[in-house]
Amino acid sequence: GAVVSQHPSWVICKSGTSVKIECRSLDFQATTMFWYRQFPKQSLMLMATSNEGSKATYEQGVEKDKFLINHASLTLSTLTVTSAHPEDSSFYICSARQAGGPGIEQFFGPGTRLTVL
Amino acid sequence: AQSVTQPDIHITVSEGASLELRCNYSYGATPYLFWYVQSPGQGLQLLLKYFSGDTLVQGIKGFEAEFKRSQSSFNLRKPSVHWSDAAEYFCAVGASTGFQKLVFGTGTRLLVSP
Repeated sequence: GAVVSQHPSWVICKSGTSVKIECRSLDFQATTMFWYRQFPKQSLMLMATSNEGSKATYEQGVEKDKFLINHASLTLSTLTVTSAHPEDSSFYICSARQAGGPGIEQFFGPGTRLTVL
Repeated sequence: AQSVTQPDIHITVSEGASLELRCNYSYGATPYLFWYVQSPGQGLQLLLKYFSGDTLVQGIKGFEAEFKRSQSSFNLRKPSVHWSDAAEYFCAVGASTGFQKLVFGTGTRLLVSP
């Protein structure tokens, strides 16, 4: 149980285009989902926290107009990288916290590799 | 705000030898502590977690970790390393309030030599 999927697993796009990444909790309902980015050989950095039906809370330094997060249902959150540039190339990982579950634990998706040319 | 330090960037261990990965945290209240493993290009897999109770916690794949409040540490151990254990290991501390966000350490890359 507690499986989180991400789609796509990898994407290559041209500079200036927008890319949408989906994060789904497959067998549980997630009231809260988190989005992280990870640069090569570095740790995960939290970008934003999203709660179902409300606006996402962004970490300091993360541009909310560039990284649009929508958490429209208890099983789906999306991250849209708008007007992507090469410096946005990274590994994006989402996680989900189970509604009514044992508090703090997050279940992680497999990640999405974004390459912007 | 919480923080995590993993002082070892790389560690090389011979197959069959014991392993200890260090993790020190900073948090003003009782921490929630986690160890995750990440293989190249993959997401994170939870190895074990500490919320409360017994300070020695057992995880998957033969890993264990001990919470030492006096030392603000949560070191990961394994008595006998297998070649398949080669990966990146992340320690994380979770806040007990608010969104209960996780903060990750910088990771330790484990290399296993034959």
